[in-house]
Amino acid sequence: DTEVTQTPKHLVMGMTNKKSLKCEQHMGHRAMYWYKQKAKKPPELMFVYSYEKLSINESVPSRFSPECPNSSLLNLHLHALQPEDSALYLCASSQTGSEQFFGPGTRLTVL
Amino acid sequence: GQSLEQPSEVTAVEGAIVQINCTYQTSGFYGLSWYQQHDGGAPTFLSYNALDGLEETGRFSSFLSRSDSYGYLLLQELQMKDSASYFCAVPDRGYNKLIFGAGTRLAVHP
Repeated sequence: DTEVTQTPKHLVMGMTNKKSLKCEQHMGHRAMYWYKQKAKKPPELMFVYSYEKLSINESVPSRFSPECPNSSLLNLHLHALQPEDSALYLCASSQTGSEQFFGPGTRLTVL
Repeated sequence: GQSLEQPSEVTAVEGAIVQINCTYQTSGFYGLSWYQQHDGGAPTFLSYNALDGLEETGRFSSFLSRSDSYGYLLLQELQMKDSASYFCAVPDRGYNKLIFGAGTRLAVHP
């Protein structure tokens, strides 16, 4: 299985809501990533987990909270988001770092 | 720090060949990756060059010159489906982080 899956595909939430994004990979990759991507921009790294431990946090606001329950799963918990947080949220996994496999993304709209 | 430069847009016709260049400035260099992203889709890995030279995969080839801090992606026999954004990227030390270029939007016309 060479696929990274993400749920949900689309999410609309208010600024007071709490929601979670989910990501799963079954390739046995050691590293998993969360990226944020705005239209016509490159993916912007948010978090990196390596061997289930948070190894990089790119100074992301605390309203985004990552979690890695096991080597196959990655969650991103969202709370009190702002309209400017509306974007495509991409999950990726990798064994080498240079070749990353991306999921289809969650299109998030914050009202 | 790390920075990558690539053209913002390239236009070509079906059947043609197009080259997308990428120059980089990095504090340490471990290789150059290329990703394709269609509108509304996710980035897809195309190639990775750790050493100088040309790597060929079907219609796509990628080249690296470490001495010139330069690489390119070559797309041959262009098809309409090749219309997409193409990103060059370099792994940061520890290979835990990819630094992406701003992306090149390729438009293929009939």
